[in-house]
Amino acid sequence: DAGVIQSPRHEVTEMGQEVTLRCKPISGHDYLFWYRQTMMRGLELLIYFNNNVPIDDSGMPEDRFSAKMPNASFSTLKIQPSEPRDSAVYFCASTLSWDEQYFGPGTRLTVT
Amino acid sequence: SQQGEEDPQALSIQEGENATMNCSYKTSINNLQWYRQNSGRGLVHLILIRSNEREKHSGRLRVTLDTSKKSSSLLITASRAADTASYFCATVEYGNKLVFGAGTILRVKS
Repeated sequence: DAGVIQSPRHEVTEMGQEVTLRCKPISGHDYLFWYRQTMMRGLELLIYFNNNVPIDDSGMPEDRFSAKMPNASFSTLKIQPSEPRDSAVYFCASTLSWDEQYFGPGTRLTVT
Repeated sequence: SQQGEEDPQALSIQEGENATMNCSYKTSINNLQWYRQNSGRGLVHLILIRSNEREKHSGRLRVTLDTSKKSSSLLITASRAADTASYFCATVEYGNKLVFGAGTILRVKS
C-alpha cells in the first residue's frame, strides 16, 4: 500500500481565497483524521470520520473550515475564506483501530 | 489544552548515549502511544502501552507507564544520529479521544 496520500504537498495562496486539501486514506481503514500543526499550538485534531461519517468536529476552528468524506477513499478539508493565521501544516491520518495512526506527509499551507 | 505534556522540550545528546523523554497527562486513559516525527515529515507510530501495562520494550525503545502519577517515559538506548527527530506522546481516552502532547525535540550529535 502507498500509505496515506495527501495533495497538494505545498500550497501558497492569498488571504480570502478558498483552499482545498485532499487526502486518500489507506485502503480498508475506516477512521480518518485531520490535524493541524503549528509551532504555537502544536498538533491539533480538527475532525475525524468513522465509516465516512463525521464523529467529532469539535476541533474545527470556525465556520470557515469544513471537511467532507464522500467515500471511503477520499476526504477534503476546505478553508473559505483563508486567513494568514491558517498557515500551518495539515496532516491526514487513517487507522483501523485507535492503537496506531498512519499519517500522510502533510500539506504545508501558506496564506499571504 | 493538550493532554500530554512532554518534558524536556528539547534534548541534545551524543551518539551512543541514552535519551529519556517524559510525558504527563491529566485524565484516565485507555492507552498511551509514542510517535516520532522527522523534519518535514508526518508522524510515525513507535510504540503503544495500555493502561494495565507498566513497561514495554521494542528494540532500543523502552516505555514505562505510571497511571497513579499519570506519567510515561520513553527511553531510547544507544542513540544514533538517525534518532534525531521530534517525539510526541499521545493519549487515548475512553470514548475514543486522541490528544497529542507538545513534543520533545531530540538531537543526537555524531
